[in-house]
Amino acid sequence: DAGITQSPRYKITETGRQVTLMCHQTWSHSYMFWYRQDLGHGLRLIYYSAAADITDKGEVPDGYVVSRSKTENFPLTLESATRSQTSVYFCASSAWDSGYNEQFFGPGTRLTVL
Amino acid sequence: SQELEQSPQSLIVQEGKNLTINCTSSKTLYGLYWYKQKYGEGLIFLMMLQKGGEEKSHEKITAKLDEKKQQSSLHITASQPSHAGIYLCGADASNYQLIWGAGTKLIIKP
Repeated sequence: DAGITQSPRYKITETGRQVTLMCHQTWSHSYMFWYRQDLGHGLRLIYYSAAADITDKGEVPDGYVVSRSKTENFPLTLESATRSQTSVYFCASSAWDSGYNEQFFGPGTRLTVL
Repeated sequence: SQELEQSPQSLIVQEGKNLTINCTSSKTLYGLYWYKQKYGEGLIFLMMLQKGGEEKSHEKITAKLDEKKQQSSLHITASQPSHAGIYLCGADASNYQLIWGAGTKLIIKP
């Protein structure tokens, strides 16, 4: 299916466990982003990537790791989950062409850390 | 750093009524994006504004960017239940990122 997908859609884990959230896009967009959405904070950027093997920190990167070995995949790993990482996580991609930066969003992953 | 403030934070409107949501930036806007989010789902792009005074419409939703390019408004005419959701504005920032407002939650009363 064309578009941007995230898996899993829902995840419950325990404090201290490692969790990986997957993101896959079929448009070959160069740019990909991970956000978290929390009540009262809107969308906050965790990490972003301009191309395969190029990633950079966003506003709230602590406790998260990303990789991008292929253009279409951008997994986000919580190395040792904490309760404060309970959130809804959105992946997005963009072609960012000539100053036009429409971002296409996945459906989100709702993560609960107990 | 640039900040986006949305107002109101939430809005309850009778079906059929008009409404306006505002997005105000602390700095000049070079690209302003409006998105809608249905509860429990991802964000859907509505429209993008770049030029001062620009106005775009999609069905019953109209967005404007003021001449000074520091504020945008989203206006919905004759609201319907399908308009319910969270509306977010995003603005071009450095390094091909967008910064985001906190969102406006819209409830339509039948």
